[in-house]
Amino acid sequence: GQSLEQPSEVTAVEGAIVQINCTYQTSGFYGLSWYQQHDGGAPTFLSYNALDGLEETGRFSSFLSRSDSYGYLLLQELQMKDSASYFCAVDSNSGYALNFGKGTSLLVTP
Amino acid sequence: DTAVSQTPKYLVTQMGNDKSIKCEQNLGHDTMYWYKQDSKKFLKIMFSYNNKELIINETVPNRFSPKSPDKAHLNLHINSLELGDSAVYFCASSPSGTGSEQFFGPGTRLTVL
Repeated sequence: GQSLEQPSEVTAVEGAIVQINCTYQTSGFYGLSWYQQHDGGAPTFLSYNALDGLEETGRFSSFLSRSDSYGYLLLQELQMKDSASYFCAVDSNSGYALNFGKGTSLLVTP
Repeated sequence: DTAVSQTPKYLVTQMGNDKSIKCEQNLGHDTMYWYKQDSKKFLKIMFSYNNKELIINETVPNRFSPKSPDKAHLNLHINSLELGDSAVYFCASSPSGTGSEQFFGPGTRLTVL
């Protein structure tokens, strides 16, 4: 079976740094992705980690530890527009199926 | 230019009816997907197709039948709609292979009364 665990809600202040953790148990693993979804919108891709380590893209960074079945998304210099849901997703089938976590609702306050 | 488009955006129908959702992508991608997002925002893969061939069918009831007439289109037909089918359905596409970014359509909000 597949399971992904991430916090359901996180609140942070504008300008701060927040980390959203994701732990997974899957029968196959090719990589961990992160997606952002604003209310009423579609998921949009943020990052992908196939190997251990940190990937940085602007204000967002993503980390993976395959041995610990763990990853996180780090958001720096938070802005109000970062208020959204963030999903980790495991690629367990060579890119043909993403299994999503239940999402973390991030609220950025002034 | 719209990358992944879906029609209709909203669909309200009665239990027992049959309905279809259409999806088109103009990105030249080989792989297309259908996802279902429930009221708790849980996003679940339903089907994936690669070059018109079914690759993944995630134990979806056979009332749901995807059809891919060509690489750029993946439609979803749903028979005998049930209350539990109410959800947002997202189509997505990506290049083949691992690590590929999936591009999602705007979603179709299906409400079954």
